[in-house]
Amino acid sequence: ELKVEQNPLFLSMQEGKNYTIYCNYSTTSDRLYWYRQDPGKSLESLFVLLSNGAVKQEGRLMASLDTKARLSTLHITAAVHDLSATYFCAVDLYNAGNMLTFGGGTRLMVKP
Amino acid sequence: SQTIHQWPATLVQPVGSPLSLECTVEGTSNPNLYWYRQAAGRGLQLLFYSVGIGQISSEVPQNLSASRPQDRQFILSSKKLLLSDSGFYLCAWRFGGLDEKLFFGSGTQLSVL
Repeated sequence: ELKVEQNPLFLSMQEGKNYTIYCNYSTTSDRLYWYRQDPGKSLESLFVLLSNGAVKQEGRLMASLDTKARLSTLHITAAVHDLSATYFCAVDLYNAGNMLTFGGGTRLMVKP
Repeated sequence: SQTIHQWPATLVQPVGSPLSLECTVEGTSNPNLYWYRQAAGRGLQLLFYSVGIGQISSEVPQNLSASRPQDRQFILSSKKLLLSDSGFYLCAWRFGGLDEKLFFGSGTQLSVL
């Protein structure tokens, strides 16, 4: 059974600071996705990482994937209040349904 | 371009009542379709997925069922709702090939009272 664990579960940080969210998964996969969810809203795709060593950047967010360590990171640079949201990573299983298994989410609060 | 529609946005139902949530996708054909549930403040749990018309796979034993009567239509149902069925239900789709991200609908907040 695939398990996907994120940490921390909750993160409160000041604007302008840097921080990293970690996503560990328990089985072989080289496809990992990051999503953002605002309160009461649906999920918005942020990054798709499809190979070992993949790195994607968008604004103040940068995601990377290490398939050997079964680890992905989402790095936040110089955080701003607008980044406050819950962030989910999800890992793909190689099966007929092409299912994504989600981590428990990291709730990020950026304080002015 | 592809779009996904999910309704209703909010639903309050008494225990024991039936449920029907509908999801449709436009602008693509033969998508993989998914129903996820999110409990308050929690992660997403996959409930059902479908790779084609009439093909439904369930990930967890539960009080719910799903159907795919048409290629781009996915329905989540229950004959009798339980309190534990409350949550945020999300429909999602992706292309049938590999390496494709999930696109989510806007979600349905279901409260069973």
